[in-house]
Amino acid sequence: AQSVTQLGSHVSVSEGALVLLRCNYSSSVPPYLFWYVQYPNQGLQLLLKYTTGATLVKGINGFEAEFKKSETSFHLTKPSAHMSDAAEYFCAVSGDNDMRFGAGTRLTVKP
Amino acid sequence: ETGVTQSPTHLIKTRGQQVTLRCSSQSGHNTVSWYQQALGQGPQFIFQYYREEENGRGNFPPRFSGLQFPNYSSELNVNALELDDSALYLCASSAGQRRTDTQYFGPGTRLTVL
Repeated sequence: AQSVTQLGSHVSVSEGALVLLRCNYSSSVPPYLFWYVQYPNQGLQLLLKYTTGATLVKGINGFEAEFKKSETSFHLTKPSAHMSDAAEYFCAVSGDNDMRFGAGTRLTVKP
Repeated sequence: ETGVTQSPTHLIKTRGQQVTLRCSSQSGHNTVSWYQQALGQGPQFIFQYYREEENGRGNFPPRFSGLQFPNYSSELNVNALELDDSALYLCASSAGQRRTDTQYFGPGTRLTVL
C-alpha cells in the first residue's frame, strides 16, 4: 500500500527566506511522487513530480524536490519565498489507480 | 488546450436529497477520477473511470456513483445526502490509468448539505 505523511500542518516563513515542506512516503512498489499546490477556493495545481531518473526534480514557480529513497522522503524546497507562495501544499503518492494525498501543509509568508 | 472544468461551482442541498456534479476532462484525456476534500483535509479518492468503465473505487458507500460518457466527460451522483457529504468535490483527468500518469485537477464543486 502507498501513503504519505506531511510533517507540519502549518509553516510560516518570512519573504525571501527558504521554504522547506516535508513529506515522507510509504510504498510497497517503486513510488511515484507528486507535489500539488492549492490556492484558496481553487483546485489543485501540479508543482512537480518524480517517476524515475534524476532524483532532484525542478518544478514551476522556483520549487524543487529531492527524492531520497534511503530516507523515504520527498521534501519540497524553494530558496526564496514570495508572498504569492502562500497556499496549501499537498504531497501525494500514486496508488494503483488513485492519488493518495497527505493532509496538507499551509504555508504562510510574512512580509 | 482546455483544462478540466467542473459545474456547478457551488451547490446547496438539504439532507436526503440527490445531487449530480459534472466534469469535462482535458482534451486528449480518457481517464477521470473523483475526489472528496473535506475542510482542512487532503483529497480522498472516490472512484476512477477509464474509457467509460469504473476502474477503481475508494472507501465510499454505494450511494456515491458515477458515469463516464463517450467524450470522456463524467458525472458524480450522490444519493441520500448526509451532512458529512459537505465538501469540495474535485475531478481530475489524465491521459491514462498508469501510476505515472499525472492527474490534472479542475477547480472543484463546493457542496453544502444543510
